[in-house]
Amino acid sequence: QSVLTQPPSVSAAPGQKVTITCSGNSSNIGNHDVSWYQQLPQTAPKLLIYDNNKRPSGIPDRFSGSKSGTSVTLGITGLQTGDEADYYCGTWDSSLSRWVFGGGTKLTVL
Amino acid sequence: QVQLQESGPGLVKPSETLSLTCTVSGGPISGHYWSWIRQPAGKGLEWIGRIYSRGDTNYNPSLKSRVTMSVDTSKNQFSLKLTFVTAADTAVYYCARVGFWFDPWGQGTLVTVSS
Repeated sequence: QSVLTQPPSVSAAPGQKVTITCSGNSSNIGNHDVSWYQQLPQTAPKLLIYDNNKRPSGIPDRFSGSKSGTSVTLGITGLQTGDEADYYCGTWDSSLSRWVFGGGTKLTVL
Repeated sequence: QVQLQESGPGLVKPSETLSLTCTVSGGPISGHYWSWIRQPAGKGLEWIGRIYSRGDTNYNPSLKSRVTMSVDTSKNQFSLKLTFVTAADTAVYYCARVGFWFDPWGQGTLVTVSS
């Protein structure tokens, strides 16, 4: 049972848009910035979004992040088959005194 | 750019100590926090802890009694020791630089706990 809640899976057709939500509480998302990670099959996670909505250099603007209260959302537009991966949200939890992650969302591009 | 590489035994016997090292290249280990994160097969990410280049540490409370992290700035390496391992500790172990996010990550190393 992960501290942050994500849907186990989402799917959409190529070219379409998808959103992945990550819900927490005031001890984590509500008071700390969130980052998102993309994990392609059989590879290490890679930073996708930091500080809720910022993209590292090299990440296309098809990827976006937003935050509202104790939830964050990752958006991906213009879906490509190469976007098929597991996506994780993560942040610090001041009540648990540790980093926490969502359980991960598997994106399928149909 | 900064790159990280994990190394260590891929097989550890139950009740023994898991030892891994992360070598940082392309940049200094000094002035940064470094973390270990693990991922059991088919499951999500679990934060193990972090160490600052001066040696200050924070550990996941659920693992704290078994975890020790250390840093060797002369070798640009930091290490993880996890004692009294069981099958539940079988996972891919990643090292990563951490600030308010994790970046970059090492490629990960699979550690299997089995007799």
